[in-house]
Amino acid sequence: DVKVTQSSRYLVKRTGEKVFLECVQDMDHENMFWYRQDPGLGLRLIYFSYDVKMKEKGDIPEGYSVSREKKERFSLILESASTNQTSMYLCASSARGQINSPLHFGNGTRLTVT
Amino acid sequence: GEDVEQSLFLSVREGDSSVINCTYTDSSSTYLYWYKQEPGAGLQLLTYIFSNMDMKQDQRLTVLLNKKDKHLSLRIADTQTGDSAIYFCAGVVHSGGYQKVTFGIGTKLQVIP
Repeated sequence: DVKVTQSSRYLVKRTGEKVFLECVQDMDHENMFWYRQDPGLGLRLIYFSYDVKMKEKGDIPEGYSVSREKKERFSLILESASTNQTSMYLCASSARGQINSPLHFGNGTRLTVT
Repeated sequence: GEDVEQSLFLSVREGDSSVINCTYTDSSSTYLYWYKQEPGAGLQLLTYIFSNMDMKQDQRLTVLLNKKDKHLSLRIADTQTGDSAIYFCAGVVHSGGYQKVTFGIGTKLQVIP
């Protein structure tokens, strides 16, 4: 089974702090994604990566950056955390080159910015 | 781009069937997925249907796809309290060698004992 591991389940940070959310997958998937989930808004794609050192903006990239230095690891960076970035963050991965390639999700990181 | 819509909430009694509905807009969606999210957890893939199928059954789960109306449903037979969760419908469109996944807002299923 695919395992996607997010390093923290809960994080509390202060406004203005630099925040790193880490995600690791063990199935050699090419594709990795970061979503945020908010009540009433569903899942929104922040950034994704289809290969090492490659990144693409999703629907809501503002205030975020990402890093993909190794195939198995995809990091989400909040350069200067703000209270409106309080949310549940979900990492996912999928294989490339297959027609049926569902996303496999981690358990999420609930970030609170005070 | 694709839009995927779902109702927000469904309440059923334990033992009854649950039907969660979803509509999508992009007829070129190749696969449609159902994910389940239990409280405090990530999304877990429940089942999927390929766009050239009308129905797929997997134990207590039945997925129906009406391509003409772009309507997808998930039926859970003999609903149990453990089925209480948020259910997300998602459509996949392949474009330029990449896959674009669009999620619905999620339907919260409440099972009353």
